[in-house]
Amino acid sequence: NAGVTQTPKFRILKIGQSMTLQCTQDMNHNYMYWYRQDPGMGLKLIYYSVGAGITDKGEVPNGYNVSRSTTEDFPLRLELAAPSQTSVYFCASSLTVNYGYTFGSGTRLTVV
Amino acid sequence: AQTVTQSQPEMSVQEAETVTLSCTYDTSESDYYLFWYKQPPSRQMILVIRQEAYKQQNATENRFSVNFQKAAKSFSLKISDSQLGDAAMYFCAYRSAYGGSQGNLIFGKGTKLSVKP
Repeated sequence: NAGVTQTPKFRILKIGQSMTLQCTQDMNHNYMYWYRQDPGMGLKLIYYSVGAGITDKGEVPNGYNVSRSTTEDFPLRLELAAPSQTSVYFCASSLTVNYGYTFGSGTRLTVV
Repeated sequence: AQTVTQSQPEMSVQEAETVTLSCTYDTSESDYYLFWYKQPPSRQMILVIRQEAYKQQNATENRFSVNFQKAAKSFSLKISDSQLGDAAMYFCAYRSAYGGSQGNLIFGKGTKLSVKP
C-alpha cells in the first residue's frame, strides 16, 4: 500500500516556466488536497477536491490550477512560475472529515 | 473563520524529560477534530494524535498525550520521556466535522522542538 505518492521530490524552475506536480493515492480516498509550506507560516491550502470531477479553491489559489479526472490522481499545475511560488508543496488525502490527512513526502520547488 | 495559534515558535527539552507544546484555536462550531502532526527533518508529515471534540477523555498515544480544554479552546501536546527522535516541527491542526470547505485542515504555524542529549 503506497499511500500518497508525489513526484518530483525536488525541482528548480525558471521564471515563466510551467510544470505539473503529480499526486496519486491508492487508498480510494474521496478528499484530496494541495498545500504549500513556507518557513514560519505553517501550511496553506491551495486547492482541494471532494471527489472526482469536483475541485475548489483554497486560501492561496492564484497561479495554480488543478484537475481531478479520477479518484486516484490530483495533479497541481503551475503556470508562468514566479519566485513567490518557491515553497514546499504537499499533497494529502483523506477518507472522510472524521480523520486526519495522509500526506505525500512533499516537493521542494525553487523558482529562479 | 477558524484559526489555530501556536504561541511557541521554538521549544527545547532535555532527553528523558517532559515537554508541553501549546495550541489554542478559535471556532464557533461544536463538532470538530483536533490533530497534532510531527514533521521531522525528512519533511514527512506524521500524524501524532487525534482528538474528537465531543469526547471529554483526552487522547493518548504511547508517550504522547493531549490536554483538551474545550471551553478554553486549548489543545496542548505533552511528550513524556523525550527522545532524540522527537526533535521536529510540530503542527497543531483543526478540522470541522461539517465537511465541504469547512472540512479542510487548518494548521498553526508550528513549534520547533529541540531535544538535548
